[in-house]
Amino acid sequence: KNEVEQSPQNLTAQEGEFITINCSYSVGISALHWLQQHPGGGIVSLFMLSSGKKKHGRLIATINIQEKHSSLHITASHPRDSAVYICAVGGVQGAQKLVFGQGTRLTINP
Amino acid sequence: DTEVTQTPKHLVMGMTNKKSLKCEQHMGHRAMYWYKQKAKKPPELMFVYSYEKLSINESVPSRFSPECPNSSLLNLHLHALQPEDSALYLCASSQVGERNEQFFGPGTRLTVL
Repeated sequence: KNEVEQSPQNLTAQEGEFITINCSYSVGISALHWLQQHPGGGIVSLFMLSSGKKKHGRLIATINIQEKHSSLHITASHPRDSAVYICAVGGVQGAQKLVFGQGTRLTINP
Repeated sequence: DTEVTQTPKHLVMGMTNKKSLKCEQHMGHRAMYWYKQKAKKPPELMFVYSYEKLSINESVPSRFSPECPNSSLLNLHLHALQPEDSALYLCASSQVGERNEQFFGPGTRLTVL
């Protein structure tokens, strides 16, 4: 069993829909990261959180430390949100290492 | 400047060639990373430098040789690579410590013939 599990693996939605991507982890962590990667591109850090909730524009990330679960929400989704979203946790295998989930491939159709 | 730059963007090399990948950041970060990413997979950590010293080597074959000449630069020297080494190579940087965001570069797409 992977230490970081994401669901769903693939998600297709229509423009304007509310999107939720989930991440569960099995061990104690120091922080959880949500990352975005467009096809063929580099990785952009969206959020780093260790408790509660953060919001940037149409993106919202929440974490429940007791339940070892985080969600990434996208409101009013747009085709430019189409990308792979990766959950990663830190502090599991050493201070500088991130353990990555397998990613969720999101496609938003116009 | 909140950018990590990587050169070249694309590299094609034969199995007998020697080449280098370069990474640069000017954010004052003292931790720098090399990752390898195969298609449709998450990144795999290769090396971590903290304060210009190699702190993590994830049992990477010796045909990959990292170098951190100063706090802003990170190199990855490549020699006698195999076709299965073809991948996207990503550099990242962060402050040292656990709760620090990593900033990623755009990557170098490497093809080994």
